[in-house]
Amino acid sequence: ILNVEQSPQSLHVQEGDSTNFTCSFPSSNFYALHWYRWETAKSPEALFVMTLNGDEKKKGRISATLNTKEGYSYLYIKGSQPEDSATYLCAVLKTSYDKVIFGPGTSLSVIP
Amino acid sequence: NAGVMQNPRHLVRRRGQEARLRCSPMKGHSHVYWYRQLPEEGLKFMVYLQKENIIDESGMPKERFSAEFPKEGPSILRIQQVVRGDSAAYFCASSPPVKSLRGEQYFGPGTRLTVT
Repeated sequence: ILNVEQSPQSLHVQEGDSTNFTCSFPSSNFYALHWYRWETAKSPEALFVMTLNGDEKKKGRISATLNTKEGYSYLYIKGSQPEDSATYLCAVLKTSYDKVIFGPGTSLSVIP
Repeated sequence: NAGVMQNPRHLVRRRGQEARLRCSPMKGHSHVYWYRQLPEEGLKFMVYLQKENIIDESGMPKERFSAEFPKEGPSILRIQQVVRGDSAAYFCASSPPVKSLRGEQYFGPGTRLTVT
């Protein structure tokens, strides 16, 4: 069974601080990794889809890196804003035909 | 291109009644996932379907829950004889054939089920 872990479970930062969190997964049989942003009372929205070792993706102040050999991905937020407050979910596919496995998420609160 | 649609958005059922939740995937998407979010918890996988085929139902409770994705029409999650513990938000997500976009999922707005 593929186990996807995320840390920390929750995070409180001041507006303007930069922050990062981690998604860990078994490095064998990796196909793709997704990051999603899930705001309260809304549905998750995809941020990044990553497939290759060394991949780096960027969208505005948010970026992500992927290391498939050691089994982790980092999500970075530069200069956090209150609107960044959300739960950030990581999801992994082991093969092209398996179901997506979600981690438990990291809940980020940005304090104005 | 319309997004993933779920209806109803809110559903209230009394204990013992049946709940039917519908999900229409995005156009061109052939895979549907159902997830449950219990109060104060994250997303829990329930079932993964392709048209006319259940690929993985390892997250479905053994009794009272069933899901289908017919050749025509929406995917249906059915909960028979609902109990208070079934109260949750149920999210549907669809994805294109996995190889094309590495399985990226597009989520619907969810159905909030309340059992009284």
